[in-house]
Amino acid sequence: SQTIHQWPATLVQPVGSPLSLECTVEGTSNPNLYWYRQAAGRGLQLLFYSVGIGQISSEVPQNLSASRPQDRQFILSSKKLLLSDSGFYLCAWKRGISYEQYFGPGTRLTVT
Amino acid sequence: RKEVEQDPGPFNVPEGATVAFNCTYSNSASQSFFWYRQDCRKEPKLLMSVYSSGNEDGRFTAQLNRASQYISLLIRDSKLSDSATYLCVVKTTDKLIFGTGTRLQVFP
Repeated sequence: SQTIHQWPATLVQPVGSPLSLECTVEGTSNPNLYWYRQAAGRGLQLLFYSVGIGQISSEVPQNLSASRPQDRQFILSSKKLLLSDSGFYLCAWKRGISYEQYFGPGTRLTVT
Repeated sequence: RKEVEQDPGPFNVPEGATVAFNCTYSNSASQSFFWYRQDCRKEPKLLMSVYSSGNEDGRFTAQLNRASQYISLLIRDSKLSDSATYLCVVKTTDKLIFGTGTRLQVFP
């Protein structure tokens, strides 16, 4: 069966510090991968998605970036965090031909 | 207008009650529809897909009305464990658009 991991589970970072969140998927190959953010009391906002190694599509221009160095690894980064970057960051995957997406446990980021 | 709209609730219902949520979507070209469940401070989990003919999974029934562009979720015989936020999700082109969710609280 497929499993998706995210770490860390929680993170408190000061404004201006860098960020690196990691997501890995097990049990499948060539998944589509997604990064979402959920701000308090708001819906999920798609940030990036990737259909393959090195292929990244950005949905929202901001100070975040994403990379996919391996087939089942997806990384979300920032060089300098803003207060507005606080939120619940969720990684998701899906098989190429299906529509349903499955989420990892998420990282709760607080920027202070 | 939001692409996917839901009543935020909360819906407070007693155990055993039947409760229904509606969701409207704006893009008539939307292709697929889902309900996800999200517990407090947890990730969303797929509850069920919504098919054109309607579908049922145990106590849960989902309906799609393409003409009126709305989706519904019916929960029968509510359990305390059904307390959660229910997210309506619509697929357009290659992306999923999530509603902000309807919160359900089932009380004893």
